[in-house]
Amino acid sequence: NAGVTQTPKFRVLKTGQSMTLLCAQDMNHEYMYWYRQDPGMGLRLIHYSVGEGTTAKGEVPDGYNVSRLKKQNFLLGLESAAPSQTSVYFCASSGKGGSYEQYFGPGTRLTVT
Amino acid sequence: AQRVTQPEKLLSVFKGAPVELKCNYSYSGSPELFWYVQYSRQRLQLLLRHISRESIKGFTADLNKGETSFHLKKPFAQEEDSAMYYCALSGGGGTSYGKLTFGQGTILTVHP
Repeated sequence: NAGVTQTPKFRVLKTGQSMTLLCAQDMNHEYMYWYRQDPGMGLRLIHYSVGEGTTAKGEVPDGYNVSRLKKQNFLLGLESAAPSQTSVYFCASSGKGGSYEQYFGPGTRLTVT
Repeated sequence: AQRVTQPEKLLSVFKGAPVELKCNYSYSGSPELFWYVQYSRQRLQLLLRHISRESIKGFTADLNKGETSFHLKKPFAQEEDSAMYYCALSGGGGTSYGKLTFGQGTILTVHP
């Protein structure tokens, strides 16, 4: 039982390049989330999904797209990376919303030069 | 709009001293409050949630709706408590979908 895994762990992009971050969970969770962590700002929600085939915008969705084609996977895409997207990205999942615990992945450190 | 404020970016105490990490929130409805912790080289993980009214690793937190606070307390800090602590809020009810609003985080350092 690996829990929540994220691929890749590190990545350096040049401005304008694209990439996809993969999040996978093996806990059969319905809800999945993408956050970004920046110094002094805590974690901020980018996009989330409440089930296979559904996605919704969070607090800071601009410049990102997501897809949830399979229940266990939640992909975060950057179509044209910008230096402002340099951050640590965390994926999380939970059985349901509300007071249910969110389980976090190890994070992906992305640098855009 | 919901908001979580952790006024202390850094907090240092000595082993055995009491520790209190402050958290204030702004939310118009009935919130669900959490404390998450990130130890060095480990994942962010749930420490405790107000709805459970439990004590984890000696930590407790009481939701004070009058003062809109959810401070985390421990009477005797240990070196292994050194970590980054995040207070987080989820709007109650079915439409929140568990979305969390995090505070800025407090780095707790417990000195020997």
